[in-house]
Amino acid sequence: KAGVTQTPRYLIKTRGQQVTLSCSPISGHRSVSWYQQTPGQGLQFLFEYFSETQRNKGNFPGRFSGRQFSNSRSEMNVSTLELGDSALYLCASSRLGTAATYTFGSGTRLTVV
Amino acid sequence: QQPVQSPQAVILREGEDAVINCSSSKALYSVHWYRQKHGEAPVFLMILLKGGEQKGHEKISASFNEKKQQSSLYLTASQLSYSGTYFCGTEIPEGGTSYGKLTFGQGTILTVHP
Repeated sequence: KAGVTQTPRYLIKTRGQQVTLSCSPISGHRSVSWYQQTPGQGLQFLFEYFSETQRNKGNFPGRFSGRQFSNSRSEMNVSTLELGDSALYLCASSRLGTAATYTFGSGTRLTVV
Repeated sequence: QQPVQSPQAVILREGEDAVINCSSSKALYSVHWYRQKHGEAPVFLMILLKGGEQKGHEKISASFNEKKQQSSLYLTASQLSYSGTYFCGTEIPEGGTSYGKLTFGQGTILTVHP
């Protein structure tokens, strides 16, 4: 059974550019959540999508956005990159329901220079 | 709102036991425990639900005190492979559901030496 796939694994971008990250959930999982992980702030929730709808959003500026496609694959976009956006971006998929668990992908390491 | 984990770091010899605690100031629906090794994805270990249901790995146990909003992860007879950073993620019901959001503690670094 394939796990959660995130692409690319590594990215280097320049300040001011924009970036798009991709997440393919486990087959049958319709919920995709995104997290930012940094040494200083830890794991912070960005947003969650279910059936192509954003149902929940964390405390991040509007430069961070996402979407979900009909096949449950999700993308997140960060515009006008800042140095502080350098982080490991993780997505997690879930089947939802009682005692639902979240399976994380290996993440995309974004470095902004 | 972020749960507080303790201790921040633990150093063990193989075969020793450890307890990691996670405490929240908010009423919780569930607590999820993960282990993350450097450069890798967080790996699910255990989920504990309000009401007592739990599921996870055989060699790892945990408890959830609903009155105190506290959870503890018990690692017994530690192995080298137990090394990593342990995170608790809490689901806080907001308007009936957390909608896919886990609020994570700051992590506990566990190091197991031979």
